Amino acid sequence: NAGVTQTPKFQVLKTGQSMTLQCAQDMNHNSMYWYRQDPGMGLRLIYYSASEGTTDKGEVPNGYNVSRLNKREFSLRLESAAPSQTSVYFCASSEASALTDTQYFGPGTRLTVL
Amino acid sequence: GENVEQHPSTLSVQEGDSAVIKCTYSDSASNYFPWYKQELGKRPQLIIDIRSNVGEKKDQRIAVTLNKTAKHFSLHITETQPEDSAVYFCAAPPSYNFNKFYFGSGTKLNVKP
Repeated sequence: NAGVTQTPKFQVLKTGQSMTLQCAQDMNHNSMYWYRQDPGMGLRLIYYSASEGTTDKGEVPNGYNVSRLNKREFSLRLESAAPSQTSVYFCASSEASALTDTQYFGPGTRLTVL
Repeated sequence: GENVEQHPSTLSVQEGDSAVIKCTYSDSASNYFPWYKQELGKRPQLIIDIRSNVGEKKDQRIAVTLNKTAKHFSLHITETQPEDSAVYFCAAPPSYNFNKFYFGSGTKLNVKP
């Protein structure tokens, strides 16, 4: 049982390049999330998916797109990377039910945009 | 959206002392309040949570208290140990959309041996 996995762990991009961050969970959770974590800023929600086939914006969606490929996978795409997107990106999943609301986080992707 | 404020931003205590971190929220109908711990270089992990139908919840050395009238909740760590050193985050999902998890800005706790 791997929980939540993310790839890659580290990435360096040049301004204007594109890339996709991958996330997968094996806990059969309905909800999945993408956060970014900047020093002193805590965790900020970029996008979330409450169920397969649906996605919605969070606090800071500009410059990002997401795809909920199936129940297991939720990807985050940067179409044209900017230095302001240098951050640590965490994916998370949750059953989000009345019984349990715990968010389980992946190990994170450290992204640097030069 | 939900506004969650967390204080203090840093907290330094001597081993064995108690630590208290406080969060305030804006949505009076919010009903779920978790606390996450993030050790250096690691992912955040849930350590304790509380729902609005109770005022306090304990789990060994950690406890969370909730004051719905004042719209704040606090994390209490007693008999602190060096392994408690980490960043702690609170969250308060708004009542209208549980999936919109808004986290506080974090408290860096340093427990000095």
